[in-house]
Amino acid sequence: DTEVTQTPKHLVMGMTNKKSLKCEQHMGHRAMYWYKQKAKKPPELMFVYSYEKLSINESVPSRFSPECPNSSLLNLHLHALQPEDSALYLCASSQDLSSYNSPLHFGNGTRLTVT
Amino acid sequence: ELKVEQNPLFLSMQEGKNYTIYCNYSTTSDRLYWYRQDPGKSLESLFVLLSNGAVKQEGRLMASLDTKARLSTLHITAAVHDLSATYFCAVADSGGSNYKLTFGKGTLLTVNP
Repeated sequence: DTEVTQTPKHLVMGMTNKKSLKCEQHMGHRAMYWYKQKAKKPPELMFVYSYEKLSINESVPSRFSPECPNSSLLNLHLHALQPEDSALYLCASSQDLSSYNSPLHFGNGTRLTVT
Repeated sequence: ELKVEQNPLFLSMQEGKNYTIYCNYSTTSDRLYWYRQDPGKSLESLFVLLSNGAVKQEGRLMASLDTKARLSTLHITAAVHDLSATYFCAVADSGGSNYKLTFGKGTLLTVNP
């Protein structure tokens, strides 16, 4: 069982819909991440939060809007997505940004389909 | 820009055989990770390698790091079907406090009976 919980597991949305992905961890980690993974490809970093502040935005289109309400929660708000945004969206957490021996702990992901 | 190359990208092997997956990276780094991903599942952390000469072993898998050669290896000993998965290496940019991993393209390992 993963210690990073993502909901929903699957999401189908139209291009005009607004939806949110949710991620929760209770390991006391202070860094949280959103990754996007297309089929048979490696994960691609989207956003990094450190101590609830946005630390890295990898030039992600504004139709993706992250939010970190507190140290345990991370949301990804979706609006006006395109079919090419269909992918597995992975949330991850780590102790912080500088602990060398702290790997990322990944959630099981949300499989998003945009129609 | 940090580049990470894994090879082979596809590996089909028989049970009981040994093989090695290679991970080369282009610039200095102080952290390298190996992850496993089963189809449709999340990534599971296997090894964290932090220093030159680091070697870690878990079951039939052994990972090593040569920072001078910018090379990590994941050695599989006496493969079993349960090891079938995609294996990713991931390298962290060194310096600063930002934590950004660059993943290799992954090696799809299939272990046949």
